[in-house]
Amino acid sequence: NAGVTQTPKFRVLKTGQSMTLLCAQDMNHEYMYWYRQDPGMGLRLIHYSVGEGTTAKGEVPDGYNVSRLKKQNFLLGLESAAPSQTSVYFCASRHADYEQYFGPGTRLTVT
Amino acid sequence: RKEVEQDPGPFNVPEGATVAFNCTYSNSASQSFFWYRQDCRKEPKLLMSVYSSGNEDGRFTAQLNRASQYISLLIRDSKLSDSATYLCVVNPYSSASKIIFGSGTRLSIRP
Repeated sequence: NAGVTQTPKFRVLKTGQSMTLLCAQDMNHEYMYWYRQDPGMGLRLIHYSVGEGTTAKGEVPDGYNVSRLKKQNFLLGLESAAPSQTSVYFCASRHADYEQYFGPGTRLTVT
Repeated sequence: RKEVEQDPGPFNVPEGATVAFNCTYSNSASQSFFWYRQDCRKEPKLLMSVYSSGNEDGRFTAQLNRASQYISLLIRDSKLSDSATYLCVVNPYSSASKIIFGSGTRLSIRP
């Protein structure tokens, strides 16, 4: 039982490049989330999903897209990376109104 | 007014001291409450859920005051390993897709 895993752990992109972050959970959770956390700041919700095939915008969705084709996976895409997207990205999942479980994070730097 | 507010700290206390944090929330219909801890550059991890009657887990005690709309976390006999950022988390609606995170309270325990 791996919980929530994220791929990759680290990535450096140049401005304008694209990439996809993968989040996987093996707990059969309905809800999945993507957050970003900038240095010294709190978590900000980017997008979330309440089930397979559904996604919704969070607090800071601009510049990101998501997909949830399978219940266990939640993908976060950056179509054209910008330096302002340098951050740590955390994925989380949960069942109903219970606690969230977080992945270890992806540290992204955009130069 | 922010939906969830925490004193950012830092709280700097000696080892063995008792320290308490409060967290206020604005939505009186909020159903679920949690305390998470986050170590530097790591993912948030659940510390404890907060129940209406209050609950205790070892040196940690969490309480909910619905009338005044705040939750609290008390740490007794603090250890060096308690140094971390403590996040207050509120679920505004039962089984809802959105969870509100506070910005966190930084705690530093000195020898």
